[in-house]
Amino acid sequence: KQEVTQIPAALSVPEGENLVLNCSFTDSAIYNLQWFRQDPGKGLTSLLLIQSSQREQTSGRLNASLDKSSGRSTLYIAASQPGDSATYLCAGDTSGGGADGLTFGKGTHLIIQP
Amino acid sequence: DGGITQSPKYLFRKEGQNVTLSCEQNLNHDAMYWYRQDPGQGLRLIYYSQIVNDFQKGDIAEGYSVSREKKESFPLTVTSAQKNPTAFYLCASRPGTGIYEQYFGPGTRLTVT
Repeated sequence: KQEVTQIPAALSVPEGENLVLNCSFTDSAIYNLQWFRQDPGKGLTSLLLIQSSQREQTSGRLNASLDKSSGRSTLYIAASQPGDSATYLCAGDTSGGGADGLTFGKGTHLIIQP
Repeated sequence: DGGITQSPKYLFRKEGQNVTLSCEQNLNHDAMYWYRQDPGQGLRLIYYSQIVNDFQKGDIAEGYSVSREKKESFPLTVTSAQKNPTAFYLCASRPGTGIYEQYFGPGTRLTVT
């Protein structure tokens, strides 16, 4: 059964720093990988989707990469801002067609200090 | 505005009662999903549906039931058989075959006492 680990579980950094969040899968057979942001008590906001044929995606200050051979993904946040404070979740699709739901990690709780 | 709506935002029930959580989407998405989130945990899949009148069990379907009579609606019933129903419930949808990004609703927080 696929399991997803996110490291670190929590992170607190000063504003302006670049940072990396990590995500790893026990089964490297990942077809698509999605990163989400969750604010307290809210639903999930999709940040980036890396499809099976891709190795990375970029959106603004965010860059996500996927190394299928090692079953690892990283989310890079450049020039962090207090508004980036949230929980970041990675989730993988192991069904190939995207239909069977996602397997989630427990998240990284990020605090950006002003 | 297109999106996914879940109602109500907060729901309180007594133990032993069934309760139905609503999920509606106007995105014309084919697939819909229900996840459960507990404090400090990742989301876990309860049920999913790829087309109308068809649905499959996820990893933790025991004590839950769903229906998919309309493309835009995917209600979840939490039955009295669910041993630990208190949780945050999230509904999601996905456009269809070949399009993999999932979109989430705002969630319903269910408290059972």
